[in-house]
Amino acid sequence: DTGVSQNPRHKITKRGQNVTFRCDPISEHNRLYWYRQTLGQGPEFLTYFQNEAQLEKSRLLSDRFSAERPKGSFSTLEIQRTEQGDSAMYLCASSSPGTSGFPTQYFGPGTRLTVL
Amino acid sequence: AQTVTQSQPEMSVQEAETVTLSCTYDTSESDYYLFWYKQPPSRQMILVIRQEAYKQQNATENRFSVNFQKAAKSFSLKISDSQLGDAAMYFCAYGGSQGNLIFGKGTKLSVKP
Repeated sequence: DTGVSQNPRHKITKRGQNVTFRCDPISEHNRLYWYRQTLGQGPEFLTYFQNEAQLEKSRLLSDRFSAERPKGSFSTLEIQRTEQGDSAMYLCASSSPGTSGFPTQYFGPGTRLTVL
Repeated sequence: AQTVTQSQPEMSVQEAETVTLSCTYDTSESDYYLFWYKQPPSRQMILVIRQEAYKQQNATENRFSVNFQKAAKSFSLKISDSQLGDAAMYFCAYGGSQGNLIFGKGTKLSVKP
């Protein structure tokens, strides 16, 4: 396993611009999760996919946010019309279908977004 | 709704000593899982230990062990023989029926040489 990878690692943008992040899960992991972590806080759940189906969305995921996982492999998270409050670390995690009960989630290094 | 509370924003331990990080949670579910994750500075989050709520036996992983008190909804992490590399943010997390993790605010652990 090469681990969960995320790109870019850092993104600086101006308020009002659109940004897109990419997450590549561990190979053969069927579940993929997005979390947001602000300074001094624990990660907060945004959404998750099982294969290509988006199963859960948090109320934090406003209509400016959209996530896709078109072929059940990598996923993208897009934020439209960014606001300064969107500045955070965006974490991606994936989990294996083979684990009984609640599958362990493995996290990527995150994408740090700064909105000026 | 489930909640996770870590009441210790910061903790400090001397190298080779033992430290315990506290975590409490609230849930009405009977089937759930609890986790401790470690997030070193500027590095990714890694799993330290997990506990299934239906198991009475406390989980252990080398120098890391938990004290799981289901009735009290308490899930503390004990780190024995602390090492400099243990310095990090530690997050307690709950996993239940919705499939996502719910995290506490974290405890910053410093290890003094």
